[in-house]
Amino acid sequence: AQSVTQLGSHVSVSEGALVLLRCNYSSSVPPYLFWYVQYPNQGLQLLLKYTTGATLVKGINGFEAEFKKSETSFHLTKPSAHMSDAAEYFCAVSPQTGANNLFFGTGTRLTVIP
Amino acid sequence: KAGVTQTPRYLIKTRGQQVTLSCSPISGHRSVSWYQQTPGQGLQFLFEYFSETQRNKGNFPGRFSGRQFSNSRSEMNVSTLELGDSALYLCASSLRLAGGGHEQFFGPGTRLTVL
Repeated sequence: AQSVTQLGSHVSVSEGALVLLRCNYSSSVPPYLFWYVQYPNQGLQLLLKYTTGATLVKGINGFEAEFKKSETSFHLTKPSAHMSDAAEYFCAVSPQTGANNLFFGTGTRLTVIP
Repeated sequence: KAGVTQTPRYLIKTRGQQVTLSCSPISGHRSVSWYQQTPGQGLQFLFEYFSETQRNKGNFPGRFSGRQFSNSRSEMNVSTLELGDSALYLCASSLRLAGGGHEQFFGPGTRLTVL
């Protein structure tokens, strides 16, 4: 069974500081991995994804994530936080079996302090 | 290309009523998935439709149902509404990735409030 754990339901950083949002997955086979962002009263927007190939994945808005199989992790980082990054972030996995459904973590709300 | 559209954006219903939500996927996408988002349970998968057939189903009671039309538009229906059905319902249409898996594109959601 697939599951996703996001450590820290709330993270606060100062503007310009490093953003690190943690995600660990549980799966017998490495799944496909995604990070989504959700702004208030909106749907989910894909930040980046890992399927195969290079384990360091770059996404939109300066975000990147590294797939570490040995640690079953897919942490999201951004070198310098902007005020516009304040939102809720969700890590998600989908199985490699071909089933098209996402299992989401509980989300991390990012606050950026000016 | 236009994104995923969902109608209506907001709904208020009372317990015991039923509701139908609509989703139009991105042109060319044949798979549509539905998710429920609540503060307590987070984001949970409801079901997926592909070529008018339900291909995957989450762990929800039979009061939740859906269908897909030949133009890939999808509807979901919730009968005998309960207070706990108050949620943001998100629809996503999917594109199969060359490296495997699917990329899901989400609509803005329908906010359902049950009184």
